[in-house]
Amino acid sequence: SQKIEQNSEALNIQEGKTATLTCNYTNYSPAYLQWYRQDPGRGPVFLLLIRENEKEKRKERLKVTFDTTLKQSLFHITASQPADSATYLCALDKGNAGNMLTFGGGTRLMVKP
Amino acid sequence: EADIYQTPRYLVIGTGKKITLECSQTMGHDKMYWYQQDPGMELHLIHYSYGVNSTEKGDLSSESTVSRIRTEHFPLTLESARPSHTSQYLCASSTQPQETQYFGPGTRLLVL
Repeated sequence: SQKIEQNSEALNIQEGKTATLTCNYTNYSPAYLQWYRQDPGRGPVFLLLIRENEKEKRKERLKVTFDTTLKQSLFHITASQPADSATYLCALDKGNAGNMLTFGGGTRLMVKP
Repeated sequence: EADIYQTPRYLVIGTGKKITLECSQTMGHDKMYWYQQDPGMELHLIHYSYGVNSTEKGDLSSESTVSRIRTEHFPLTLESARPSHTSQYLCASSTQPQETQYFGPGTRLLVL
């Protein structure tokens, strides 16, 4: 069956360090993989998209990698700040007609000052 | 900031009442979605629409219904609210072809 796995345990890191979050998937052949940020009580906000033929994408302090062989994406936040504390969701399309996104369960990141 | 709106933001209602949660977007997106999410839990897709007069049920079974008479409007209705419907309801619309989704602020529903 199709599955998207993100670490359900919270990731606690010190301010200034690099946070790395993992998204693994099985039985998908996505054309795109996307990362979203969700703050408590609010809807997710789109951060970055990476295509299947791209290895890496950067946006300011954010970096996403995509390994279609390992079926894994890594999401990095460099020089992390307390304001980066949130839940981060990966999402990928089903690769079929309609290409609707399916979201992972998310990983909560806590950046301590 | 995405142009997608949900009303009400908070709703406390008694069991058995009929409610409609409103969702509107001004981005001209054809595809729209409703998700249900409990605090600290993952998103569950309950309804989606490919465009006007198109509605489909999502991965999570829901007693709610939706309609799509206009592109910009995708309301969700519960004919008879129950405490088990207490949750946060998030509406979204998406772009083509990457299907990036833009979410509204959500409606937090409490059924007593």
